[in-house]
Amino acid sequence: NAGVTQTPKFRVLKTGQSMTLLCAQDMNHEYMYWYRQDPGMGLRLIHYSVGEGTTAKGEVPDGYNVSRLKKQNFLLGLESAAPSQTSVYFCASSYGSGGLRDTQYFGPGTRLTVL
Amino acid sequence: QQQVKQSPQSLIVQKGGISIINCAYENTAFDYFPWYQQFPGKGPALLIAIRPDVSEKKEGRFTISFNKSAKQFSLHIMDSQPGDSATYFCAAKVGGGADGLTFGKGTHLIIQP
Repeated sequence: NAGVTQTPKFRVLKTGQSMTLLCAQDMNHEYMYWYRQDPGMGLRLIHYSVGEGTTAKGEVPDGYNVSRLKKQNFLLGLESAAPSQTSVYFCASSYGSGGLRDTQYFGPGTRLTVL
Repeated sequence: QQQVKQSPQSLIVQKGGISIINCAYENTAFDYFPWYQQFPGKGPALLIAIRPDVSEKKEGRFTISFNKSAKQFSLHIMDSQPGDSATYFCAAKVGGGADGLTFGKGTHLIIQP
């Protein structure tokens, strides 16, 4: 099993450009999450999904959109990138619903720089 | 409002010593408390997790101590090794809920040989 994979690993954008980050998981998890990690800030939740076709806002959703058209994929979009969105983005997934099913598994991250 | 406060921000421990990282939370609805380990350039990986029905959980050299009344929990790394040098994050969530994890800001741990 590959676990959680993220594409691309690195990306540099100019202000105003758009891009989509792809997350894929092969563990048949229901729940998927997008976090951003900034120096000294820990990880903060951007958006999450509890199943195919559903999405919800997290702590820092502004400037991002997400879609979950297939159970195994969770896409994060930036419509008009801003320098404040320079960060490392992590996708995670879990079975959900309590107990060991709450364990979240993280991907390797995407380092995004917006100039 | 930071719901999970982690300390210290950085920690240097001699090889063979005990590393202790502390976290405090505010939301009494939290009932799942994991610790993650992150190496440079990698994603966080689950180290150990605890639920508030127990006061301590041990896995190898790693122990979580949990104090529900004080709303605090801590990670102890016994016989710390240079390979333990990493950033450690505590986190919390409402168990079974769809909400994501609320993370502390992290502790950069260095184990000196």
